[in-house]
Amino acid sequence: AQKITQTQPGMFVQEKEAVTLDCTYDTSDPSYGLFWYKQPSSGEMIFLIYQGSYDQQNATEGRYSLNFQKARKSANLVISASQLGDSAMYFCAMRGSYNFNKFYFGSGTKLNVKP
Amino acid sequence: DAGVTQSPTHLIKTRGQQVTLRCSPKSGHDTVSWYQQALGQGPQFIFQYYEEEERQRGNFPDRFSGHQFPNYSSELNVNALLLGDSALYLCASSHGGLPGTSGGRYNEQFFGPGTRLTVL
Repeated sequence: AQKITQTQPGMFVQEKEAVTLDCTYDTSDPSYGLFWYKQPSSGEMIFLIYQGSYDQQNATEGRYSLNFQKARKSANLVISASQLGDSAMYFCAMRGSYNFNKFYFGSGTKLNVKP
Repeated sequence: DAGVTQSPTHLIKTRGQQVTLRCSPKSGHDTVSWYQQALGQGPQFIFQYYEEEERQRGNFPDRFSGHQFPNYSSELNVNALLLGDSALYLCASSHGGLPGTSGGRYNEQFFGPGTRLTVL
């Protein structure tokens, strides 16, 4: 079975500073994909970044980077230079190779960026 | 290029009623997945439709059913509504892909804005 754990229900960060959102996962699939999504109060899930389990390098997308530690089964999201518009819910998700049609989501982290 | 669209945006129903939610996938996508997101929780996978058939299902009762049309749009039907069905229902579209694909970004899912269902 697949499981995603996000242990930080809420986080605060000062504008322009960096913040790390934690995500750990559990799977027995030989390969898998890890995703981070942002969900503003409007409700739409916005894709941020993807990491494949066999990717040699950590993924980066603009101000977002993924700190992938396969042996520890963690896939933390790092947001650099936080902006007020980054305030939202953030979800870590996983899709395995056997049930690749199905995303498993964590419970989310509410990020608040302070001016 | 239109993204994923869902209708209606909000819906209020009473216990025991039936509801139908609609989703149009992103242009070029042929697969639609439905998720239920209760307040304060992450989305839970309901089922996925591909080639007009339910391809995979999560742990939801038979009261939850769906349909996919030849133009790839999809409906989610919920019968005998319970208070606990109150949630945001998200639709996501993607390419069909093939079983055994390594969970790669090729099958990335794009989400719609959701339908917020309130059951009284």
